[in-house]
Amino acid sequence: AQTVTQSQPEMSVQEAETVTLSCTYDTSESDYYLFWYKQPPSRQMILVIRQEAYKQQNATENRFSVNFQKAAKSFSLKISDSQLGDAAMYFCAYRSGKTSYDKVIFGPGTSLSVIP
Amino acid sequence: GAVVSQHPSWVICKSGTSVKIECRSLDFQATTMFWYRQFPKQSLMLMATSNEGSKATYEQGVEKDKFLINHASLTLSTLTVTSAHPEDSSFYICSARLAGGSNTGELFFGEGSRLTVL
Repeated sequence: AQTVTQSQPEMSVQEAETVTLSCTYDTSESDYYLFWYKQPPSRQMILVIRQEAYKQQNATENRFSVNFQKAAKSFSLKISDSQLGDAAMYFCAYRSGKTSYDKVIFGPGTSLSVIP
Repeated sequence: GAVVSQHPSWVICKSGTSVKIECRSLDFQATTMFWYRQFPKQSLMLMATSNEGSKATYEQGVEKDKFLINHASLTLSTLTVTSAHPEDSSFYICSARLAGGSNTGELFFGEGSRLTVL
């Protein structure tokens, strides 16, 4: 079975600085998707960024980028120019690419605090 | 983006009663919806996968008779917590995936429903 691990329960970053959140996963599949979701205090889950495993190029979305290392099964999220609104729980997630109804598995989460 | 609406957002009930939570995809069709449960400061735990027109698939350890799931249409799935007890108090989140189209795997989430059983 696939598993997702986030080794940093809590992280903090100074406003305007850069922070990297770690994620590793375990799978025997070659076709899959990886995601970072953000959950602010409102608890609404928000997709931050998505990476298809077959793509070698790292995904980027404005201030958010990933470092996808397929061989190492690592998928870290870098947040540049951190803003107060970035404070939230961040969940790394995995989904098999086999079918459209495969479930999404979430890591335990990292709580990010942004210091003004 | 696609919108998923969940209702109610907050419900308090007495022990032994049943509570129904609705999950609707407002602007797209969802053949598959997922129900998650989240305890405070913890991750999302998948409870079941809800497929339109067929029986839900429950994760190991989830009581199917206690958490009834019905996915009667392409835009609506319901979770009924039967004979609720205080230990069922939690935050329940539904999510949906676009039917057909590009298989990007992205889930769209509802706002969540906080259940408190007295």
